Amino acid sequence: EVQLVQSGAEVKKPGESLKISCQGSGYSFNNYWIAWVRQMPGKGLEWMGIIYPDASDDSGTRYSPSFQGQVTISADKSINTAYLQWSSLKASDTAMYYCARSDCSTTNCYPSAYWGQGTLVTVSS
Amino acid sequence: SYELTQPSSVSVSPGQTARITCSGDVLAKKYARWFQQKPGQAPVLVIYKDNERPSGISERFSGSSSGTTVTLTISGAQVEDEADYYCYSAAANNLGVFGGGTKLTVL
Repeated sequence: EVQLVQSGAEVKKPGESLKISCQGSGYSFNNYWIAWVRQMPGKGLEWMGIIYPDASDDSGTRYSPSFQGQVTISADKSINTAYLQWSSLKASDTAMYYCARSDCSTTNCYPSAYWGQGTLVTVSS
Repeated sequence: SYELTQPSSVSVSPGQTARITCSGDVLAKKYARWFQQKPGQAPVLVIYKDNERPSGISERFSGSSSGTTVTLTISGAQVEDEADYYCYSAAANNLGVFGGGTKLTVL
C-alpha cells in the first residue's frame, strides 16, 4: 500500500527555522517526484515545488516563482523522505502543508492520488 | 505566468447536475486533474487526463475539455459531494498550478 506520512504539527516563533518531512512507503520512493502544496487558513491549494529524490544534484528540484528563495525542498532517498524547510519563518507561513506523490512524463507533472495527511505549521509570537 | 480560473462557488439541489469550470491558456496544451477536498481532509483525486476517473471514484463524476476550458460534472449531486473542488494543470519544466477552488454547495 502506497503511503506518505508527514511529520507532526509545529508551533514556531517568527525568525525560527523549521524542517518538516514526508516519508514514503509501499513504492519505489526514488522513482517518483514529490510535490509540496501549501494551504493557508481558509484558502485554496498552492503548488510550491517538486523534487525527484533520485536526482544527483539540484537539477531535480523545481520551485514555483512564488516560493523560490522562500523555502528549500530536499530529499534523503536512503530513508525515503522528502523535506520542506524554512530558515526564518514568518507569520504568513502559517498554513497546512501537504506532500503529494506526482506522476511525471517529460516535463509535465501532476499530483497523484497519494497525498500525505498534512502538517500544520503555526508561526506566532 | 500560468493561471487557472474557477468560479468561487456553485450551488445545486440534491439530484441536480453540478458543473464546475476551469479556464486557462495552458489547458489548450496540457491535461487537467480535479481534486475534491472536504473540511479537515487531504485532497482526493477525482478526475485525471481531463476525463478519466480513478478507481473507486463514483460514476457521478465526469470531466470534459474544450479549448482552454475544462469542466467537472457531478451528475445527480448528493449531499456528500459538498466540498471544495480544485483543478490542476502542469506548467512548463515540471512546474504546476492549481485553480483558486470552487465551493460546491448541495442543498
